[in-house]
Amino acid sequence: EDKVVQSPLSLVVHEGDTVTLNCSYEVTNFRSLLWYKQEKKAPTFLFMLTSSGIEKKSGRLSSILDKKELFSILNITATQTGDSAVYLCAVDGNQFYFGTGTSLTVIP
Amino acid sequence: DTGVSQNPRHKITKRGQNVTFRCDPISEHNRLYWYRQTLGQGPEFLTYFQNEAQLEKSRLLSDRFSAERPKGSFSTLEIQRTEQGDSAMYLCASSFWTSGSETQYFGPGTRLLVL
Repeated sequence: EDKVVQSPLSLVVHEGDTVTLNCSYEVTNFRSLLWYKQEKKAPTFLFMLTSSGIEKKSGRLSSILDKKELFSILNITATQTGDSAVYLCAVDGNQFYFGTGTSLTVIP
Repeated sequence: DTGVSQNPRHKITKRGQNVTFRCDPISEHNRLYWYRQTLGQGPEFLTYFQNEAQLEKSRLLSDRFSAERPKGSFSTLEIQRTEQGDSAMYLCASSFWTSGSETQYFGPGTRLLVL
């Protein structure tokens, strides 16, 4: 059965900390892995990863994919309170599969 | 605003009533997806269209659910004889798909509460 598993389920850190969010998958006909940030509204797109080992960066966020081990990580450095959100991982296979998300809380 | 839009944003209905939601995708996008999201869960895939063709439906989509995209632009999702378990956020997303991968862009969602 196709699935996407994210860990940890929740995380509380202090401002300035660095966090690593994990996403592992077992999906038929893998095409890409996507990261989204969801606050109290619909998810907003962060990254799309298709190739192993190529890091994508956007400001303090970065992500990388390992297609051999079937996982991806999302790193956030120097966290800010505005980073507090649920981070969703989705894999594009025969259909889109979403993980349950990691709830990140950044406290001042 | 050139993003994905959904209407209504909120809907409260009594059990047994029918409801219909609308999604307007980004104009050049050929794929349109419907998801359902309950509290604390990631979005669950319901169905998707490529242009006007409905290519896949999840087994989550019971006979009470129907979706259309008659002209390959906007889409509607209808739920007949609503049940309390239908209460959720219904998300629409659109993408431009050629071959290979695609990025979905989400609308703001329609929050349904069935009393």
